[in-house]
Amino acid sequence: DAGVIQSPRHEVTEMGQEVTLRCKPISGHNSLFWYRQTMMRGLELLIYFNNNVPIDDSGMPEDRFSAKMPNASFSTLKIQPSEPRDSAVYFCASSFPKTLNTEAFFGQGTRLTVV
Amino acid sequence: DQQVKQNSPSLSVQEGRISILNCDYTNSMFDYFLWYKKYPAEGPTFLISISSIKDKNEDGRFTVFLNKSAKHLSLHIVPSQPGDSAVYFCAASYSGNTPLVFGKGTRLSVIA
Repeated sequence: DAGVIQSPRHEVTEMGQEVTLRCKPISGHNSLFWYRQTMMRGLELLIYFNNNVPIDDSGMPEDRFSAKMPNASFSTLKIQPSEPRDSAVYFCASSFPKTLNTEAFFGQGTRLTVV
Repeated sequence: DQQVKQNSPSLSVQEGRISILNCDYTNSMFDYFLWYKKYPAEGPTFLISISSIKDKNEDGRFTVFLNKSAKHLSLHIVPSQPGDSAVYFCAASYSGNTPLVFGKGTRLSVIA
């Protein structure tokens, strides 16, 4: 399996522009997570889906952020309009709970820079 | 409010010696704990885990210890190797396959 695939790997955009980050989870995994990594806050959960349904989006910082999972093999995280403080590395992860507890598998991340 | 805390941002250890990375948590509902390793420009990768019904789990050079009464866990790497140099994240979750809650990470440097 190719693992969790994220695109793009790097994104540089101007303040005010719309940004869309993409994620393809591991085939067969039914949970998908979006995390953001910053120096100040470390790895923080933004939103997660079970069986394509958003379960908890309380980590989404503002209404400028939105996420969708139209099917089991694709998810997007959109920021509109983007701001310089959104600059961070965004990770997508997926998991399949074979047992009660299981690890999550991460993609390589998208480094977002908003100038 | 950080539920999972890694109070040492960095650690330097000589090759061949033991590396000990520490993690504290505040939520007593957590019952599953994991360590992830992260190299630059890559995503975190799973290293080792422990359930709250155990106090130790070993996998090769890596051992995780859990002290529930102290709400503390540690990762021991013996012997440390230069390839172990990375950022190590402690994570926790509770029953029902809830999302992982991460600490801020500890950067380990193993010096040859």
